Amino acid sequence: NAGVTQTPKFRVLKTGQSMTLLCAQDMNHEYMYWYRQDPGMGLRLIHYSVGEGTTAKGEVPDGYNVSRLKKQNFLLGLESAAPSQTSVYFCASSIPGDTSGNTIYFGEGSWLTVV
Amino acid sequence: QKEVEQDPGPLSVPEGAIVSLNCTYSNSAFQYFMWYRQYSRKGPELLMYTYSSGNKEDGRFTAQVDKSSKYISLFIRDSQPSDSATYLCAMGRGYNFNKFYFGSGTKLNVKP
Repeated sequence: NAGVTQTPKFRVLKTGQSMTLLCAQDMNHEYMYWYRQDPGMGLRLIHYSVGEGTTAKGEVPDGYNVSRLKKQNFLLGLESAAPSQTSVYFCASSIPGDTSGNTIYFGEGSWLTVV
Repeated sequence: QKEVEQDPGPLSVPEGAIVSLNCTYSNSAFQYFMWYRQYSRKGPELLMYTYSSGNKEDGRFTAQVDKSSKYISLFIRDSQPSDSATYLCAMGRGYNFNKFYFGSGTKLNVKP
């Protein structure tokens, strides 16, 4: 039971480099999210998607782009990495539903360091 | 003002103690309330889920929601060293909501 899978798990980037974080979910969830987690700041929403082909900005979208070409995949891109983007990134998914099922499931995280 | 407030701790208790973790919130529209457990260098995992007010029990864990006070709690009975983790509360509103509101997490340490 894979759930939400993120790759890579660890990455070190130089300032100005670009990269893409990959997220895949096998639960047929409609909604997908990218969060970053920093000490003392909790989870902050970067971008989210409510369905294939749609994306929307969250709280901290600057410096990131996303794409949802397939329902099961949600990609997070950093076009020109900055040290301020050093963080742990979590992908998550959820399904709108009834009173028993409306919750969010997380991946294991991707640790990104920008030097 | 943050939507969800949570004491960051750390909270240190001896093994076997009853632990009480709490969150307060400001938005009366929240209807879905969740507790997540996050071990070091891992993703948050869903622990408890409650819809609307009331209590929910699952083994050693009890989640409590008091919507009139905008206050939610997670109780852990007979705490174990394996319960040492950061606990995040989360909540949402509506049926098709697409935004979850998270507390910043409380770090719990259960000493053997």
